[in-house]
Amino acid sequence: AQTVTQSQPEMSVQEAETVTLSCTYDTSENNYYLFWYKQPPSRQMILVIRQEAYKQQNATENRFSVNFQKAAKSFSLKISDSQLGDTAMYFCAFMKFKGSQGAQKLVFGQGTRLTINP
Amino acid sequence: NAGVTQTPKFQVLKTGQSMTLQCAQDMNHNSMYWYRQDPGMGLRLIYYSASEGTTDKGEVPNGYNVSRLNKREFSLRLESAAPSQTSVYFCASSESFIWTANTGELFFGEGSRLTVL
Repeated sequence: AQTVTQSQPEMSVQEAETVTLSCTYDTSENNYYLFWYKQPPSRQMILVIRQEAYKQQNATENRFSVNFQKAAKSFSLKISDSQLGDTAMYFCAFMKFKGSQGAQKLVFGQGTRLTINP
Repeated sequence: NAGVTQTPKFQVLKTGQSMTLQCAQDMNHNSMYWYRQDPGMGLRLIYYSASEGTTDKGEVPNGYNVSRLNKREFSLRLESAAPSQTSVYFCASSESFIWTANTGELFFGEGSRLTVL
C-alpha cells in the first residue's frame, strides 16, 4: 500500500516570501501521479499542481513549482512571492496509474497548514 | 456550473441514528468517490465507484454503505451512526483515466460536516 507523509503540520511566513512544503511517499510502483491540493478556509479542495512520475522535468504553475526526486520519493512544493490568499491547508497526494480505465484513487498526506502573514 | 454538489452541508445526529449524504455531479464523469477528513489524518477514501453500476471499498469502509444511483449520483449512508463517524465528508468525481488525455484531477464538493453525539 502507498503512504504519503507530510512532516510539517504548520508553517508560517511573511507575505512575499518563498516557502517550501515537504512531502515524501512510499510506493513500489513505477508509474504514478503526484499532486498538491489546496484547501482554503472555505473547505473547497483545489488542485494546485500535478507531476507525472515518468517526467523528469519538474512541474510549474505560475508561482507554484515542485521539486520531484523520484529516487528519494520526495515531492516538495515551492510557493514563490507568497500572497495572503495562499493561506490554506495543503495536501500532498499520490495516485497509482491504473491503465486506460478505472477509478483514480488518491492517497493523501496529513496536510500542512500554511499561514501567510501581512 | 455546479460541478459536484453535496447535501446536506451540516448535520447533527445522535448515536444510532441513520442518515444519507447525497452527491451529484454534472460533469459527465464516470468515477465518483467518498472521502472523510479528520484532523491530522488528511483525507481517507471510504468507498468509490469506478463507473455506473460498480462500487468498491476504500481504506475505511466500515460503518458505511454506498449507492451509485445513476451516472450523476453517488450516495453515502450511515446505518447506525457512531461518534467515531464525526468528520467532514467529501464527495469527488473524475473522468476515467486516459493516460495522455486526462489530468488525473479529482473534482471535489464543498464537504458535509457531520457531528454524531
